[in-house]
Amino acid sequence: EVHLVESGGDLVQPGGSLRLSCSASGFTFSSYGMHWVRQAPGKGLEYVSAINNNGDSTYYADSVKDRFTIYRDNFKDTLYLQMRSLRVEDTAVYYCVKTLSDTYFRTFDFWGQGTLVTVSS
Amino acid sequence: DIQMTQSPSSLSASVGDRVTITCRASQSISIYLNWYQQRPGKAPKLLIYAASTLQSGAPSRFSGSGSGTDFTLTINSLQPEDFAIYYCQHGHSLPIAFGQGTRLEIK
Repeated sequence: EVHLVESGGDLVQPGGSLRLSCSASGFTFSSYGMHWVRQAPGKGLEYVSAINNNGDSTYYADSVKDRFTIYRDNFKDTLYLQMRSLRVEDTAVYYCVKTLSDTYFRTFDFWGQGTLVTVSS
Repeated sequence: DIQMTQSPSSLSASVGDRVTITCRASQSISIYLNWYQQRPGKAPKLLIYAASTLQSGAPSRFSGSGSGTDFTLTINSLQPEDFAIYYCQHGHSLPIAFGQGTRLEIK
């Protein structure tokens, strides 16, 4: 059974940094692209970032470009999101998401439970 | 960037009803359209991908149709557990975008 468990969410001041982790199990992690999607309190879903299966290709939404870094450790079956220069508007639940397949790289078949990042002074 | 617009934003229905939710893309996305269900306090769950393919484990009362720019999600014979928020999402290209969501409430 696929499991994605996020951690690292916290309360941080504007301008601060945080690293989110997503521990994966139940599938061959190194074979799948992974993504981060976030959801501000009471709001809809917002796409954040993507990484391919071997980590050599990444993508960022304009709202986080140059501030967030996605990377992965296929030996540890773990996905990361390094967040810097955090803003109040980055406050959200961050979901780690698994790609359905290579053909459907932008379809998300499993989601973690989410980790809450609160940016506030 | 491709924008996704869902309608209605909310609707009320009764157990046993048939409901339809619409999603429109700002440009053609072929069949690269996915539907997700999000129950309160839970992560979204994939229901339909590639416009009309039912995800493994999703109930057969859910169905999707459409191509190009116009898509629909239909739920036949609503069950109590179906009252949730539904999101469409295009997978045509990056950046991915979600619709704003449709809240399905019990009448």
